[in-house]
Amino acid sequence: QKEVEQDPGPLSVPEGAIVSLNCTYSNSAFQYFMWYRQYSRKGPELLMYTYSSGNKEDGRFTAQVDKSSKYISLFIRDSQPSDSATYLCAILLVEYGNKLVFGAGTILRVKS
Amino acid sequence: DTAVSQTPKYLVTQMGNDKSIKCEQNLGHDTMYWYKQDSKKFLKIMFSYNNKELIINETVPNRFSPKSPDKAHLNLHINSLELGDSAVYFCASSQDRERSGNTIYFGEGSWLTVV
Repeated sequence: QKEVEQDPGPLSVPEGAIVSLNCTYSNSAFQYFMWYRQYSRKGPELLMYTYSSGNKEDGRFTAQVDKSSKYISLFIRDSQPSDSATYLCAILLVEYGNKLVFGAGTILRVKS
Repeated sequence: DTAVSQTPKYLVTQMGNDKSIKCEQNLGHDTMYWYKQDSKKFLKIMFSYNNKELIINETVPNRFSPKSPDKAHLNLHINSLELGDSAVYFCASSQDRERSGNTIYFGEGSWLTVV
């Protein structure tokens, strides 16, 4: 079993839709939960991070963590074609020298 | 100014060759990393250095040797390249491995193709 599981998609939605991206993880020692966005031929860029259960909102993006079920989500409201990218969930183990463990990434395509 | 820069961006080389990828960060960060992204887009850590000290060394063949001349640079040298080494290699950095909620900044990637 991989430490972080993520459906690779692709996920195709119409412009304006609400997008839900999800990951599950297996290690309870994971401390910080992050979402990265990666455009084609580019490096990953951090979208959001959180360390506690609950929701964190930033503009059109909401990150949600449920530690009891080891489930993390990213919601994108009013999705735009510019949101088309690969979204990677990542979980950080601080005690292990900031070891960042990634999910496989979900390819998102927003159609105009 | 690019925060984390790596060169070359594209590299095509033959099996058996030795090659290096260079990385520099101008963010004043203490920790630097190398990640590998395979053909299925799976991103996995290889090494991390904090103030020139090796912190993380994942299960990576000995043919891969990181070198950190100072805390702003972390180069990756690969000996005797194999076809399976073809991937995208990302350099990254963060401020302090002890500080909570560190943001890890990635470079643009180096596309290595071994033929």
